[in-house]
Amino acid sequence: DTGVSQDPRHKITKRGQNVTFRCDPISEHNRLYWYRQTLGQGPEFLTYFQNEAQLEKSRLLSDRFSAERPKGSFSTLEIQRTEQGDSAMYLCASTGLITEAFFGQGTRLTVV
Amino acid sequence: GIQVEQSPPDLILQEGANSTLRCNFSDSVNNLQWFHQNPWGQLINLFYIPSGTKQNGRLSATTVATERYSLLYISSSQTTDSGVYFCAVMNTDKLIFGTGTRLQVFP
Repeated sequence: DTGVSQDPRHKITKRGQNVTFRCDPISEHNRLYWYRQTLGQGPEFLTYFQNEAQLEKSRLLSDRFSAERPKGSFSTLEIQRTEQGDSAMYLCASTGLITEAFFGQGTRLTVV
Repeated sequence: GIQVEQSPPDLILQEGANSTLRCNFSDSVNNLQWFHQNPWGQLINLFYIPSGTKQNGRLSATTVATERYSLLYISSSQTTDSGVYFCAVMNTDKLIFGTGTRLQVFP
């Protein structure tokens, strides 16, 4: 198993454009998490899935953000009409029966 | 929600020195992890330690769940130990992170 994989690693987009990120969790893990990290801060929880069900969303997750995990495997996070304030590192993590979380390498988003 | 505080916020050491990083949390937890964030932003798992003591090479960690704190010990520090160390706790279904300790180790 290669661990949690995220794609792309870097994304530069113009304000107002839509972007989509992908996360492939560790294969036997049933929980998948999305976090956002800005400079100098710890990661902040955005949302999580158990299998294909989205069980919790943070108040940080505005209407412009949507996440899916259609078959309970990989997940996508879409941001519509990006704003400069969306610039951040987006991190994905997964856990299995033991709740130790493993993180991917992250997607660094820059909105210009 | 649960609050997680880490101290010190910044730490500067000379190579070979020892250090202790602290994590305090405000409620009972069922998971506690220590991470090292590398310069490229990836979070590297150091310890999964909801209670007790674990050691891995020059690093060790202790969590006293009843007193709501955890300690990360780094002995004989090396320049490669530089980076940000995060404590994260889980008491419902998600990890909540502290603000981290930025460690700089100079030769």
